[in-house]
Amino acid sequence: NAGVTQTPKFRILKIGQSMTLQCTQDMNHNYMYWYRQDPGMGLKLIYYSVGAGITDKGEVPNGYNVSRSTTEDFPLRLELAAPSQTSVYFCASSYSIYEQYFGPGTRLTVT
Amino acid sequence: GQQLNQSPQSMFIQEGEDVSMNCTSSSIFNTWLWYKQEPGEGPVLLIALYKAGELTSNGRLTAQFGITRKDSFLNISASIPSDVGIYFCAGQLSGGTSYGKLTFGQGTILTVHP
Repeated sequence: NAGVTQTPKFRILKIGQSMTLQCTQDMNHNYMYWYRQDPGMGLKLIYYSVGAGITDKGEVPNGYNVSRSTTEDFPLRLELAAPSQTSVYFCASSYSIYEQYFGPGTRLTVT
Repeated sequence: GQQLNQSPQSMFIQEGEDVSMNCTSSSIFNTWLWYKQEPGEGPVLLIALYKAGELTSNGRLTAQFGITRKDSFLNISASIPSDVGIYFCAGQLSGGTSYGKLTFGQGTILTVHP
């Protein structure tokens, strides 16, 4: 099993550009999550999903959108990128609501 | 949002020493989790705690779910260089609106000198 995979690993965006961060899990987990991690900080929840077709906002959803059309995939969309969105983005999945397994992250810089 | 206060922020220790770190909150948690993150990687789950007072070990790691349900502790015995990393606590708040969501502490950066 590959676990949770994320692409790309690194990306530089110009202000105002858009992009989609990809996340795929092969563990048949119902729960999936997107977090951002800023330097010296813990992880903050952006969006989460409890199953295909169901998503909900986390703590910091502004500037992002998600969709969940399949159990495996949970892409995160950034529209009109801003410097404040420079961060490391982690996708996670879980079978239960507690024990989350994380991908390797996407390091995004917006200049 | 809700905050977990994790301390210390960083630790510099000699190989072989024991390590203790903790997380506290003013809110009650249903579950406590401890994760380790190495440079360039995502967090990896170390220990999960589900009941107040629970004490769980994973090799040289031991974690406890505080009796008040507002804190948790992680101990690492006989540290080795590969213990280096950032350790995060995370918990799920008690209450229906928090279902499925974890709150993370700010992390403890551990450095082990050989």
